Amino acid sequence: DAGVTQSPTHLIKTRGQQVTLRCSPKSGHDTVSWYQQALGQGPQFIFQYYEEEERQRGNFPDRFSGHQFPNYSSELNVNALLLGDSALYLCASSLVGTGHNTFGSGTRLTVV
Amino acid sequence: DQQVKQNSPSLSVQEGRISILNCDYTNSMFDYFLWYKKYPAEGPTFLISISSIKDKNEDGRFTVFLNKSAKHLSLHIVPSQPGDSAVYFCAARLNYGGSQGNLIFGKGTKLSVKP
Repeated sequence: DAGVTQSPTHLIKTRGQQVTLRCSPKSGHDTVSWYQQALGQGPQFIFQYYEEEERQRGNFPDRFSGHQFPNYSSELNVNALLLGDSALYLCASSLVGTGHNTFGSGTRLTVV
Repeated sequence: DQQVKQNSPSLSVQEGRISILNCDYTNSMFDYFLWYKKYPAEGPTFLISISSIKDKNEDGRFTVFLNKSAKHLSLHIVPSQPGDSAVYFCAARLNYGGSQGNLIFGKGTKLSVKP
């Protein structure tokens, strides 16, 4: 039973560029959430997708956007990258109405 | 403004002894609390949770205690094993109009269990 898979695992981008990160949820899950984990910090909620719509959003600028596809997979897009966007980006999936998120291993983004 | 605080960045415990990890929160609207464990190069793994209407939940070697009046929860691991060495995150969930809200995490506590 595949868990949450994220791609790529590592990525290096230049300041000002755009990046797309991908997530496939655990089988049977229909809700995807994205988190940003900066070094030495806990994960910080970016947004959550359910039924292909953004349902909740954390305190992140509009440069951060997302999408959920009919097969429940999701993308996180970040435009106009800043050095401060360097972090581990975690995707978590769950089944709506249940309690627990399953996390992927994350994508390590480095902005230079 | 941190709503979930883990004030101890690290904790070192001898194998076989008890590990106690602490977490404080400020928002009374949290309805669910969770502990996650994270190894390097892996995502957080769910460990144990507790509803805000309970004061204790136990699962094998892991017990979580919730003190709502003090807005404090703790995770007890007994007995501690070297394989428990990891970063432990405390997380809280907001009651989002009846549906599942997002998680708010603390900064984590790095537990080292020495043989």
